[in-house]
Amino acid sequence: GIQVEQSPPDLILQEGANSTLRCNFSDSVNNLQWFHQNPWGQLINLFYIPSGTKQNGRLSATTVATERYSLLYISSSQTTDSGVYFCAVFTGGGNKLTFGTGTQLKVEL
Amino acid sequence: EAQVTQNPRYLITVTGKKLTVTCSQNMNHEYMSWYRQDPGLGLRQIYYSMNVEVTDKGDVPEGYKVSRKEKRNFPLILESPSPNQTSLYFCASSLAGQGTDTQYFGPGTRLTVL
Repeated sequence: GIQVEQSPPDLILQEGANSTLRCNFSDSVNNLQWFHQNPWGQLINLFYIPSGTKQNGRLSATTVATERYSLLYISSSQTTDSGVYFCAVFTGGGNKLTFGTGTQLKVEL
Repeated sequence: EAQVTQNPRYLITVTGKKLTVTCSQNMNHEYMSWYRQDPGLGLRQIYYSMNVEVTDKGDVPEGYKVSRKEKRNFPLILESPSPNQTSLYFCASSLAGQGTDTQYFGPGTRLTVL
């Protein structure tokens, strides 16, 4: 099956810093989404981004499907950004969802 | 309020005792799915459903059953739970499949099988 790898696996930032999270996938995909799992375990959808660039406040994402990667940018990080960030790709006709390995982010004061 | 609910939120059971984890959504979504989350393995899809009476296997379906008799409900059934099914389980739904819509996740069910 498809392999979805994220880097870095762990990241510690000072509040106000910027960061880039990467998601690489091993095969062509129907779609890609980014999620945030907060420290209490809740999973929140951030972006649906099969290609191109989208922005939502301090977060933006870019997917280059032909090169099989996606990037999530976090600017001016805040402590509430802490948690695990997952990318997930849709394959198998678009209905099967495979999650990446995740990036654990900690933002410190 | 639009939401996905799961019950129970926490469950401790013993090997072999059948159990059902319920999942319900109030958004009239067609697509629903189940995942398990394990340390070091991340989130893995167990089963998904495109609509009523339409279900298919994800990456780790062994030991699980599902049914979709009503659009709003998608229960996960463990006929004979084993300790390796100890995990954190999430249900999710979206308007349609294909990954074109926001996935809404339930709060999770922490299952321990002794």
